[in-house]
Amino acid sequence: GQNIDQPTEMTATEGAIVQINCTYQTSGFNGLFWYQQHAGEAPTFLSYNVLDGLEEKGRFSSFLSRSKGYSYLLLKELQMKDSASYLCAPIDSNYQLIWGAGTKLIIKP
Amino acid sequence: IAGITQAPTSQILAAGRRMTLRCTQDMRHNAMYWYRQDLGLGLRLIHYSNTAGTTGKGEVPDGYSVSRANTDDFPLTLASAVPSQTSVYFCASSDRLAGYNEQFFGPGTRLTVL
Repeated sequence: GQNIDQPTEMTATEGAIVQINCTYQTSGFNGLFWYQQHAGEAPTFLSYNVLDGLEEKGRFSSFLSRSKGYSYLLLKELQMKDSASYLCAPIDSNYQLIWGAGTKLIIKP
Repeated sequence: IAGITQAPTSQILAAGRRMTLRCTQDMRHNAMYWYRQDLGLGLRLIHYSNTAGTTGKGEVPDGYSVSRANTDDFPLTLASAVPSQTSVYFCASSDRLAGYNEQFFGPGTRLTVL
């Protein structure tokens, strides 16, 4: 079967760094997306990894290890507006996104 | 403004009634999707369409139907609503021909079935 595992909730302090982990098992693999979703809003694209390694994009970075079925999203210099849910979504052999339940990130001042 | 629109924004519906949720995109994406999102669960795929004229079943298709008469529109119909269909419904689209299938989401429809 297909399975995505992310922590349900994390708390961090404004200005700090947080790492959100995701482990996955899918039928085939064609890359992995991270999306951000603010409460009451639609998910929006953050990052995409298809090869092993780190992709950096401003304050956000995403890492992938295909052999371990593992990815993480790293958020630096946290701001209050980063309070949101972060969704891990690997792509299976049919090019469908398989969505995790998401990690709710709470930022405290 | 380019993007995806959904209508209605929210709806309260009596059980047993028929309801169609509308979705329109103007990005000329070939693929479109309907998801439902419930508290504590990830996005679950209801139906999808890889190209106009074709549709497929996702993870939770029972009680829902879709059609894809043209590229832009992808309506979702609940033939006879039940309370378990209370959820937030998101429509999404992607350009699968581009290869990596980034999905763009509409603002969602909040549906309550009483």
